[in-house]
Amino acid sequence: QVRLEQSGAEVKKPGSSVKVSCTAFGGSFNSDTFSWVRQAPGQGPEWMGRIIPILGETDYAQRFQGRITVTADKSTSTVFLDLARLTIEDSAIYYCSREYTGSYAGVLPYWGPGSLVTVSS
Amino acid sequence: EIVMTQSPATLSVSPGERGTLSCRASQSIRTNLAWYQQKPGQAPRLLIYGALTRADGTPDRFSGSGSGTDFTLTISNLQSDDSAIYFCQYYNKRPPIAFGQGTRLEIK
Repeated sequence: QVRLEQSGAEVKKPGSSVKVSCTAFGGSFNSDTFSWVRQAPGQGPEWMGRIIPILGETDYAQRFQGRITVTADKSTSTVFLDLARLTIEDSAIYYCSREYTGSYAGVLPYWGPGSLVTVSS
Repeated sequence: EIVMTQSPATLSVSPGERGTLSCRASQSIRTNLAWYQQKPGQAPRLLIYGALTRADGTPDRFSGSGSGTDFTLTISNLQSDDSAIYFCQYYNKRPPIAFGQGTRLEIK
């Protein structure tokens, strides 16, 4: 069974950056695809980007292009989300998720517990 | 950009009755549609994908239907534990990937 562990809560200043980590247990990390999804209070989830560690390939949602970077460390089965130039509107819970592959790529059956990021001056 | 619109925003149903939740895509997404259940303080849980395939552990009281732009999640014999927010999601191998804003299901 796949289990995802995420880093703890962060409080950041506007204009700064945040790095959130997600370590995977079980599954086959290198061939899996991992997505980052965030959810602001009272809002629906918002897909941000994904990575396929074995290929190093990434995809990003257009609205985050230029300030998002998703990376992976195969030696520790960990994926990272870097988000730069934070604003108050980036305050949210950030989830990592492992996707199905093949015909159902983009379906998210496994989720981490979430990491709360608060942006405040 | 594909926009997913869910209705109603809130649905209040009595135990044992059936609940019907709707999701509409701004353009055809074939059957690339998933449904998730989210309870307070928890991550979303996958219920349905491929518009009608139940995920592992999803009770058969939950059924999905639709294709193209209009989709439905039907929950029969509603139980108190079904109280949650339900999200639909358009998924694909390449962006965009989009979620709806959710339907809050209340069991009276």
